[in-house]
Amino acid sequence: EIVMTQSPATLSVSPGERATLSCRASQSVSSNLAWYQQKPGQAPRLLIYAASTRATGIPARFSGSGSGTEFTLTISSLQSEDFAVYYCQQYNNWPTWTFGQGTKVEIK
Amino acid sequence: QVQLQESGPGLVKPSETLSLTCTVSGGSISSYYWSWIRQSPGRGLEWIGYIYYSGSSNYNPSLKSRVTISLDTSKNQFSLKLTSVTAADTAVYYCARVPDLCSGGSCYRYFDYWGQGTLVTVSS
Repeated sequence: EIVMTQSPATLSVSPGERATLSCRASQSVSSNLAWYQQKPGQAPRLLIYAASTRATGIPARFSGSGSGTEFTLTISSLQSEDFAVYYCQQYNNWPTWTFGQGTKVEIK
Repeated sequence: QVQLQESGPGLVKPSETLSLTCTVSGGSISSYYWSWIRQSPGRGLEWIGYIYYSGSSNYNPSLKSRVTISLDTSKNQFSLKLTSVTAADTAVYYCARVPDLCSGGSCYRYFDYWGQGTLVTVSS
């Protein structure tokens, strides 16, 4: 099983600042990686797929990068609605999937 | 706009069978993979299994012996059955859609639409 490790567990950021979240795979997943945002009481929402492609309707302040085992989600200027938990997920090992444990982005 | 909605009992007794249904509206069930995912504080997000619109399915090896996912295309629904449940199966259960999309040698198997989730508690 491919293990996805996210860091940090919690990120404290002020509104308007940049947030950088990391995701590491235990073996190469090529660019077969997605990022999701989850707010309390809601389902995860797809932000990024193929490591760097924004899903429909996702603002340009969200960007993804990386390939192989190291990936980054960057939120260029945090808005109030961006404080949430973010998960990475690999789909390279189809037909199975694994998720990271999440990074909580909180208000500093 | 595609919408998914889970339904089923919120409380299941230990050793019994958990049964949930996901109703898909605003789009066809054809040409997609349909999946179940659960989330609990201890396990995080855990993929349970999927069924393709053709009827083929695949399950998480850790749950395979207890899981069955079925499809009813006439009702635009798919269902989950998890047998012999224990307290460890207490979680929020989500249904989700996976596109059947490949391009340039890569296939995109992310979850693009999710249901709102339903909490299932296993307790006597």
